[in-house]
Amino acid sequence: NAGVTQTPKFQVLKTGQSMTLQCAQDMNHNSMYWYRQDPGMGLRLIYYSASEGTTDKGEVPNGYNVSRLNKREFSLRLESAAPSQTSVYFCASRSGGSGNTIYFGEGSWLTVV
Amino acid sequence: GESVGLHLPTLSVQEGDNSIINCAYSNSASDYFIWYKQESGKGPQFIIDIRSNMDKRQGQRVTVLLNKTVKHLSLQIAATQPGDSAVYFCAERGNNAGNMLTFGGGTRLMVKP
Repeated sequence: NAGVTQTPKFQVLKTGQSMTLQCAQDMNHNSMYWYRQDPGMGLRLIYYSASEGTTDKGEVPNGYNVSRLNKREFSLRLESAAPSQTSVYFCASRSGGSGNTIYFGEGSWLTVV
Repeated sequence: GESVGLHLPTLSVQEGDNSIINCAYSNSASDYFIWYKQESGKGPQFIIDIRSNMDKRQGQRVTVLLNKTVKHLSLQIAATQPGDSAVYFCAERGNNAGNMLTFGGGTRLMVKP
């Protein structure tokens, strides 16, 4: 049982390049999330998917797109990377209902130069 | 708006002592709170949670206290060990679609041998 798995772990991009962060969970969770974490700041929600087939914007969605490919997978895409998107990205999932814990992946370190 | 913050950005304790990490929240409608531990280079790891209808919950060596009157949350770690060194985040869930969490900025706990 791997939990939440995200790839790649490290990536360097040039400004204007595009890339997709992949995330998969094997816990049969309904909800999935993408967060970014910047130095000295807490986690900020980029996008989330409450259930398969739905996606919604979080606190900081600009510059990103997401796809809930199926129940297991939730990808985050940067169409034209900017230096301001240099951050650590975390995928997370939750089973659903009230009070359920959100489980996080190990993180993806992205640098845009 | 919703906000979650921490009183102390860095806490240094002696091994074996008890640690107390504090958190303030502003949304009186929040009904669920979580503490996460994040070690360097890893994703946040669930420690303990508490619902708003409780004021105390205990786990293994950890206790969470909730004071809704002053909107204050604390995490107590008994007999702090070197392995407890990490950044600790509190998070709250308000009345929002998707059961999104709002995270505080984090407190770094340093355990001195």
